[in-house]
Amino acid sequence: DAGVTQSPTHLIKTRGQHVTLRCSPISGHKSVSWYQQVLGQGPQFIFQYYEKEERGRGNFPDRFSARQFPNYSSELNVNALLLGDSALYLCASSRGVLAVVSSYNEQFFGPGTRLTVL
Amino acid sequence: ELKVEQNPLFLSMQEGKNYTIYCNYSTTSDRLYWYRQDPGKSLESLFVLLSNGAVKQEGRLMASLDTKARLSTLHITAAVHDLSATYFCAVVPSTGKLIFGQGTTLQVKP
Repeated sequence: DAGVTQSPTHLIKTRGQHVTLRCSPISGHKSVSWYQQVLGQGPQFIFQYYEKEERGRGNFPDRFSARQFPNYSSELNVNALLLGDSALYLCASSRGVLAVVSSYNEQFFGPGTRLTVL
Repeated sequence: ELKVEQNPLFLSMQEGKNYTIYCNYSTTSDRLYWYRQDPGKSLESLFVLLSNGAVKQEGRLMASLDTKARLSTLHITAAVHDLSATYFCAVVPSTGKLIFGQGTTLQVKP
């Protein structure tokens, strides 16, 4: 079975531009989460979606938005890019939501999209 | 504010030695995850610990969880070079968000 896939793998943008990152979950997984990992730090939670509904949001500005489609794939959008948005953006899929205790809801991470903002 | 703190942040060790990475967290969490990340790569799930006293082992790595002490350990036995990577612990507080520690970079020297 294919794992979590993300596109593109690398992206270079300039300040003020907009970016869209895409994620396809593992087959059978209905939840997608997005994380931002700045170099040298642990991943920071951005969003979780389950069955097309937002089920969790981290401490990120409104410039960050996301959505989940009927096929459970997801997009992360970032507007008005800042230099500080340069990071590895990770997508993770799971069968259910994090709030429910179960190894069933273990998250599996994709390869990430490395975004560089100049 | 929830804090997840790993200790040490950097560990250089000789092959064949044993060592332990510690993960402390500041609020209740009913589970704890350990992940491995190689440079420039994504996160690989190592262990999911779901209850107090849980212990899991895979090869030279063993993880344990003490929910009362809010502490998890990742013990490395007879380290080999292939274990060189950054290791993250992560917890899920009542907010339902996965919160990661800062990571421990392990360097195993021949």
